[in-house]
Amino acid sequence: GIQVEQSPPDLILQEGANSTLRCNFSDSVNNLQWFHQNPWGQLINLFYIPSGTKQNGRLSATTVATERYSLLYISSSQTTDSGVYFCAVELYNFNKFYFGSGTKLNVKP
Amino acid sequence: DAGITQSPRHKVTETGTPVTLRCHQTENHRYMYWYRQDPGHGLRLIHYSYGVKDTDKGEVSDGYSVSRSKTEDFLLTLESATSSQTSVYFCAISESGQASQQYFGPGTRLTVT
Repeated sequence: GIQVEQSPPDLILQEGANSTLRCNFSDSVNNLQWFHQNPWGQLINLFYIPSGTKQNGRLSATTVATERYSLLYISSSQTTDSGVYFCAVELYNFNKFYFGSGTKLNVKP
Repeated sequence: DAGITQSPRHKVTETGTPVTLRCHQTENHRYMYWYRQDPGHGLRLIHYSYGVKDTDKGEVSDGYSVSRSKTEDFLLTLESATSSQTSVYFCAISESGQASQQYFGPGTRLTVT
């Protein structure tokens, strides 16, 4: 199956700092999504971004499909940004998503 | 938020007993998925459905079966639960499968003793 690697595995930030999370994948994909899992376990869809750049408030994401990576930018981090960030990819002609192991973010006040 | 509920939310059961988890959606989405989440593994697909009575295996399907008799309900059954099936189970839905967004339910925490 496809390999999905996320880095860094753990990240500690001071409130107000910026960060970049990375997702590398080993094959061409039809779909890429970023999710945030909050400390209560809820998974929230952040971006659907198979290619290009999108922004939503303090968050933005860029996927370079030809180079098989995606980046999630968090600016002016807040304590509510804490949790685990996952990327998930879907291969062409397969209705199956493969998740990375996640980046655990802890934003300290 | 997408209308997805899971029941039960928590369950403790003994090894060897059958267990059924239910996922219910109000979005009329065609695709439904069952994942398990374990430390160090992220989320892994167990089974998915692409329509009523249409299902297929994911990467960790051994020991699990599924059924979908109505668009809104997707059931996951552990025929004989084992301790290795202790996990958090998430249901997800998407409108059209390929190249569409997935939305997740709140999860079910299952402990097999």
